[in-house]
Amino acid sequence: DTGVSQNPRHKITKRGQNVTFRCDPISEHNRLYWYRQTLGQGPEFLTYFQNEAQLEKSRLLSDRFSAERPKGSFSTLEIQRTEQGDSAMYLCASSLPRDRNTGELFFGEGSRLTVL
Amino acid sequence: AQSVTQLDSHVSVSEGTPVLLRCNYSSSYSPSLFWYVQHPNKGLQLLLKYTSAATLVKGINGFEAEFKKSETSFHLTKPSAHMSDAAEYFCVVSPGAGYSSASKIIFGSGTRLSIRP
Repeated sequence: DTGVSQNPRHKITKRGQNVTFRCDPISEHNRLYWYRQTLGQGPEFLTYFQNEAQLEKSRLLSDRFSAERPKGSFSTLEIQRTEQGDSAMYLCASSLPRDRNTGELFFGEGSRLTVL
Repeated sequence: AQSVTQLDSHVSVSEGTPVLLRCNYSSSYSPSLFWYVQHPNKGLQLLLKYTSAATLVKGINGFEAEFKKSETSFHLTKPSAHMSDAAEYFCVVSPGAGYSSASKIIFGSGTRLSIRP
């Protein structure tokens, strides 16, 4: 399978615990995005990487959230001291470099977080 | 600034009848427009895209959409609904393939399509 891969698919945690999600993009894609999606809503932008550089962060990304893409391949999204309001689906997407980019985003199946 | 409005949060049609999902957009650029589909507990999949070529765009599974600049609309249609079309549909506006700001890719709030047997 050469699509975008996300792990874990589901995570249940207690309030105050830390969680980490991983995203493996399509191998030739240098652009990587994290989104948050709550029930009945469209995806909301969190952050964007081009290669290993984090070029944009949404104001939705509080100090408790951190994302990395250390070698320009996979990425991690960590949430510290989780709150019940963090419960959501976290989606990762990737896309081609600018010279071949058609604007299409390729999404993983998401990581669903439930904070008790 | 860019925005996208999906005019219906839920659409229900009978199997075999036409589907119309409405989307209006606002953009200060010449936008690219997309429709994505999301089945339960799955990621989003591209249905079709408009990137300033033909205004009538054909996508997968028999869907098509027409870009109407004068009406700032990009409605999604299908002549005959199938049970497998039941899903959530998202309209997306983007500044274009060469964009430098990912935060300007804006998703609509979605339209849930139900198909009655």
